[in-house]
Amino acid sequence: DAMVIQNPRYQVTQFGKPVTLSCSQTLNHNVMYWYQQKSSQAPKLLFHYYDKDFNNEADTPDNFQSRRPNTSFCFLDIRSPGLGDAAMYLCATSRGGAGTDTQYFGPGTRLTVL
Amino acid sequence: GENVEQHPSTLSVQEGDSAVIKCTYSDSASNYFPWYKQELGKGPQLIIDIRSNVGEKKDQRIAVTLNKTAKHFSLHITETQPEDSAVYFCAVHKAAGNKLTFGGGTRVLVKP
Repeated sequence: DAMVIQNPRYQVTQFGKPVTLSCSQTLNHNVMYWYQQKSSQAPKLLFHYYDKDFNNEADTPDNFQSRRPNTSFCFLDIRSPGLGDAAMYLCATSRGGAGTDTQYFGPGTRLTVL
Repeated sequence: GENVEQHPSTLSVQEGDSAVIKCTYSDSASNYFPWYKQELGKGPQLIIDIRSNVGEKKDQRIAVTLNKTAKHFSLHITETQPEDSAVYFCAVHKAAGNKLTFGGGTRVLVKP
């Protein structure tokens, strides 16, 4: 009965080689988030979708893109990964709207850049 | 923007003792305060939350208290067990918008 699913759990890529991380949800939530988390730090929001509306954080590098083809799926694309992009990438969802702001996180994808 | 400070950054307790983690926030419009537990290699898991119209909430060994006037809230874990060892994050949500602001995290170690 997994609610927020991330694939793969571990991803290894080469410097500069594009990579896509996947997130799916069975909660039918309106909002999907992507966070980057580096060791011993709090999750850092990259962007989120409210339905089809994309909301980018001001300090998210252009190297990071996202797609949400439908309610259930959301993808994180890293166009040219650098060594500094090695991190845990977390997907989260929330229902959206007043009083429904609880975020539920997936297990994360650990990205290694060689 | 919102600023959330969390203390302490590390906490070591003996099994059976209590643990308390405190967070302060800056924006008085904030209205929702969740706590997450993150074990090594896993995603954050919601363990308890509180809304601005409530002063205290308890769930078995875990409780959260909120002081809106002082703009701080705390997580209390009683009768700690080794499986409580993890990193705990507080977070703050404003009435408008869909984003959380996280504290810096507290690494809790429960020694058997």
